[in-house]
Amino acid sequence: DVKVTQSSRYLVKRTGEKVFLECVQDMDHENMFWYRQDPGLGLRLIYFSYDVKMKEKGDIPEGYSVSREKKERFSLILESASTNQTSMYLCASSFEAGEKLFFGSGTQLSVL
Amino acid sequence: GQSLEQPSEVTAVEGAIVQINCTYQTSGFYGLSWYQQHDGGAPTFLSYNALDGLEETGRFSSFLSRSDSYGYLLLQELQMKDSASYFCAVYEGGKLIFGQGTELSVKP
Repeated sequence: DVKVTQSSRYLVKRTGEKVFLECVQDMDHENMFWYRQDPGLGLRLIYFSYDVKMKEKGDIPEGYSVSREKKERFSLILESASTNQTSMYLCASSFEAGEKLFFGSGTQLSVL
Repeated sequence: GQSLEQPSEVTAVEGAIVQINCTYQTSGFYGLSWYQQHDGGAPTFLSYNALDGLEETGRFSSFLSRSDSYGYLLLQELQMKDSASYFCAVYEGGKLIFGQGTELSVKP
């Protein structure tokens, strides 16, 4: 079975801190995605990547950056965390773009 | 841009059949997917329709009409464990865009 692992289940940070959310997949998938999920808003795409060192902006990239130095790892970076970035962050990967996504269990980030 | 519309909540009783509709507007369309998410859990893939028609997987079926920009998820013989949020999603521009989700409550 595909496994997508997110480094932390819960994270509490202070406003202005730099935050790294890590995601690793073990199925050699080309495509990786970062979403945030907020009540009533569904899943919103932040960034995605189709290959190592490649990244594309999603629908809400402001305040975020990403890094994909290795195929299996896709990191989401909050350069200066703000309270409106308090959310559930979900990483996903897929073999074919747009087809079946495999999600990690999520990181609930609280920015105080 | 793209948008997806689905009902925010649906309630049904155990053993019944429920249909969750999804309408979409996209500039380019390749397929409609459905995902299930239980409280506190990660979304899991249910189905994918690239062509018009009905796809059946056990108690769940998914339908797509590209001419109507419409699809639905049909859940039969509802069980309590089917209580969850259900998301439709469209593939466009290399990315999967999700609707806001439908919270399904199954009552005894």
